[in-house]
Amino acid sequence: AQSVTQLDSQVPVFEEAPVELRCNYSSSVSVYLFWYVQYPNQGLQLLLKYLSGSTLVKGINGFEAEFNKSQTSFHLRKPSVHISDTAEYFCAVSDKTSGTYKYIFGTGTRLKVLA
Amino acid sequence: SAVISQKPSRDICQRGTSLTIQCQVDSQVTMMFWYRQQPGQSLTLIATANQGSEATYESGFVIDKFPISRPNLTFSTLTVSNMSPEDSSIYLCSVEEGGRAFFGQGTRLTVV
Repeated sequence: AQSVTQLDSQVPVFEEAPVELRCNYSSSVSVYLFWYVQYPNQGLQLLLKYLSGSTLVKGINGFEAEFNKSQTSFHLRKPSVHISDTAEYFCAVSDKTSGTYKYIFGTGTRLKVLA
Repeated sequence: SAVISQKPSRDICQRGTSLTIQCQVDSQVTMMFWYRQQPGQSLTLIATANQGSEATYESGFVIDKFPISRPNLTFSTLTVSNMSPEDSSIYLCSVEEGGRAFFGQGTRLTVV
């Protein structure tokens, strides 16, 4: 069985500061990894994904994440945040081998960017 | 990229009643997924719906409570039956395309 752990439920950070949102996963098989963002009263939007290849993945809005297989982590980073980055961020995994593309989501990290 | 439309976007329902949520995709997809997002929590997969067959439900979800239809490759419905306040959640439809999931805007359900 797979699981996703987002260690921080809330992360306050000042504008223009760097931020890292942590995600660890557990799986006995190879997985795809994703970060989604949910702005207030909106649906989920894909930030970035790791399917294969380079372990450093760049996404939209200046975000990037690094897949670390040995640590089973997929932390999300941004070097300088904006007020508009305030949102809920979800890490998710999908089993590569099952072919069903079922997603397991973490509990989410609420990023609050302070002026 | 797939575009998903969900209806209704929100509703307030009386306990004991049922609500059917519609999900329309602008392209043909093999599998459609229904998720629930309870207040302050993450998304939980309810079921996977394939066209022409019964939906596959995840642990903790049953067909009597959440019947699903999948009449064609672009449409699905989820019914929340005999609702109670605990069913108050956001319900999201999702499809997979090109190795990533696309989500509808969600249906925000409040049961009173």
